[in-house]
Amino acid sequence: AQKVTQAQTEISVVEKEDVTLDCVYETRDTTYYLFWYKQPPSGELVFLIRRNSFDEQNEISGRYSWNFQKSTSSFNFTITASQVVDSAVYFCALSEENNAGNMLTFGGGTRLMVKP
Amino acid sequence: NAGVMQNPRHLVRRRGQEARLRCSPMKGHSHVYWYRQLPEEGLKFMVYLQKENIIDESGMPKERFSAEFPKEGPSILRIQQVVRGDSAAYFCASSPPAIGHSNQPQHFGDGTRLSIL
Repeated sequence: AQKVTQAQTEISVVEKEDVTLDCVYETRDTTYYLFWYKQPPSGELVFLIRRNSFDEQNEISGRYSWNFQKSTSSFNFTITASQVVDSAVYFCALSEENNAGNMLTFGGGTRLMVKP
Repeated sequence: NAGVMQNPRHLVRRRGQEARLRCSPMKGHSHVYWYRQLPEEGLKFMVYLQKENIIDESGMPKERFSAEFPKEGPSILRIQQVVRGDSAAYFCASSPPAIGHSNQPQHFGDGTRLSIL
């Protein structure tokens, strides 16, 4: 069975601070995919990143970076120099390769509030 | 190049009525997924469909909920005799067929917010 845990339900930071959102996952599969999505107050889901289990290289995209550690089953997300527009709920998700389909298992989300 | 289209964006129903939520997948996508997001929670998988087939409905409530993806037209999630607890955001996602053994990423619609009075 697959499971995703986002232990931080809510984080509040002041603009320009760096912030890391934690994600820990459980799976029995050796091949799987990890995702991060952003859900702004308007409610839609914005895709941020997809990683497969064989690619442990960290990724940086502008102010966003992701740290994938298979040894600790974690896929943490860091926002550098946070901005008010980063305020949103962020979801980590997992998809196993050998599902009949590739349905996603989501964590409970972390609400990030960036104050000016 | 339209993304996944869901309508309506907002739907209000009274207890006991029926709710119909529509999802048109991206062009070329033959796989559709429905997820439910209860207030202040993450998304939970409900059902996975391909054209004219339900592949996995392990996340669907056993009663009152049904889904279809006909040969022509959008996928429909139907909730009969709605109750207050059905109030949630319902998201649809679509993906193309798998390539070899590699599953393809899902693209999400903007969701339908269902409110039950």
